[in-house]
Amino acid sequence: GAGVSQSPRYKVAKRGQDVALRCDPISGHVSLFWYQQALGQGPEFLTYFQNEAQLDKSGLPSDRFFAERPEGSVSTLKIQRTQQEDSAVYLCASSRDSRVSARSEQFFGPGTRLTVL
Amino acid sequence: RKEVEQDPGPFNVPEGATVAFNCTYSNSASQSFFWYRQDCRKEPKLLMSVYSSGNEDGRFTAQLNRASQYISLLIRDSKLSDSATYLCVVRDAQAGTALIFGKGTTLSVSS
Repeated sequence: GAGVSQSPRYKVAKRGQDVALRCDPISGHVSLFWYQQALGQGPEFLTYFQNEAQLDKSGLPSDRFFAERPEGSVSTLKIQRTQQEDSAVYLCASSRDSRVSARSEQFFGPGTRLTVL
Repeated sequence: RKEVEQDPGPFNVPEGATVAFNCTYSNSASQSFFWYRQDCRKEPKLLMSVYSSGNEDGRFTAQLNRASQYISLLIRDSKLSDSATYLCVVRDAQAGTALIFGKGTTLSVSS
């Protein structure tokens, strides 16, 4: 069975460029999360979708970061006017259940490694 | 102060050794607790959930002390394949279902 997939796997951007990162969650998974993992750190929460609704975007570091999941499946994380501090691995995770299920396992994709020069 | 704190290591142990990792969390409202494993340049994968009564999965034993806000992971009879970074993870009621990760503890098992 297919897991969570992300594309591109690697992205090099020049400072100031806009980038779009794609996540294909496991089919039928209600919840979708984006995390940012800087080198030597654990993943940090960015935003959460339940189906197409973005219920929590408290982790987005600035208004340059924008995420969407218009049809409740594929999600895109967009970063405008990239800065060097945006260099990190961006991980997408999905889980079967909605937020009320505290123990629902999150399955992670392989991540997109973004390098901003 | 970070919400989840771990000793980053590295822990360098020989095959067959027993090794223990500890983790503390700051938010007493935390409800769910996990250990994730992350191999180099790979995504995190759930190793095991941690329950109040403690739980065991083969060579791995996890313990939770809510009073001290402390979580542990014990690995017995270490294998070369156990070499990875171990992430302590909590989930708070207020944070919904988002996971809060520690920085991870690196384990290297050598022959």
